[in-house]
Amino acid sequence: ETGVTQTPRHLVMGMTNKKSLKCEQHLGHNAMYWYKQSAKKPLELMFVYSLEERVENNSVPSRFSPECPNSSHLFLHLHTLQPEDSALYLCASSLTSSSTDTQYFGPGTRLTVL
Amino acid sequence: GEDVEQSLFLSVREGDSSVINCTYTDSSSTYLYWYKQEPGAGLQLLTYIFSNMDMKQDQRLTVLLNKKDKHLSLRIADTQTGDSAIYFCAENPVQGGKLIFGQGTELSVKP
Repeated sequence: ETGVTQTPRHLVMGMTNKKSLKCEQHLGHNAMYWYKQSAKKPLELMFVYSLEERVENNSVPSRFSPECPNSSHLFLHLHTLQPEDSALYLCASSLTSSSTDTQYFGPGTRLTVL
Repeated sequence: GEDVEQSLFLSVREGDSSVINCTYTDSSSTYLYWYKQEPGAGLQLLTYIFSNMDMKQDQRLTVLLNKKDKHLSLRIADTQTGDSAIYFCAENPVQGGKLIFGQGTELSVKP
C-alpha cells in the first residue's frame, strides 16, 4: 500500500532535539490525521485537518505542532519531547473529514525519545 | 460513553478458522471497520461493513454484525501464518466525527 507514506520510519531523539515527521498522501483526499499508538493502548487521535485547516485538536501538548501546507502533505513538528512520548505515530487520510469516509493509514514512524 | 472492546489475544492452529470479536457502544455508527497491523507496520484496512448489513463476505473474511447487541465479529477461514497480526475493530459515531478504535486483538497462528 503506497497511498499514504510517512518518513522517517524510525526516529530516535533526545529531549532537547527538534525534529519533524512527514506524511504524504497520493489518494486525492482532503482530510488528514495524526494518531499516536502506544503499547497496549487504543489509538489516540491527535489532530485532524480538512482542506488544510485544523478541525480537531485533542488536548495534545504544545510540544507537538502540526502543519498542513496543502491537502497532500502533513507534518508533525516535535520539540522538547518526553520519554513517555515514545510511540508509533500514524498518519491517515480520507476523502473528507466526515466520519463516514474510510481512513487509510500510512506505515507509521516509530519514535523513541531518550 | 465511547468504548470499543476486544479480547487481547487469540491463538489458533494453521488451517483452522479464527473468530475475532468486538463490542461497541454507539448505535449511530454508520460503518464498522476491521484493520490489520503487522509487526512494525501501520494499519491496513481489511474490510468494513455498513450498519444496515448483517453480514459481509470477502474471500476468506466474513464480517458479522449484530446491531441489537452491538457486536461485531471477523472470521478468517483457513487461517495462515501470514495472518498473524493485531486486528483492530473501529466504529465511527455520527457525533464526534472520529473513529473509535478498540485495543486490538493479537492473533497468533501456530503451524
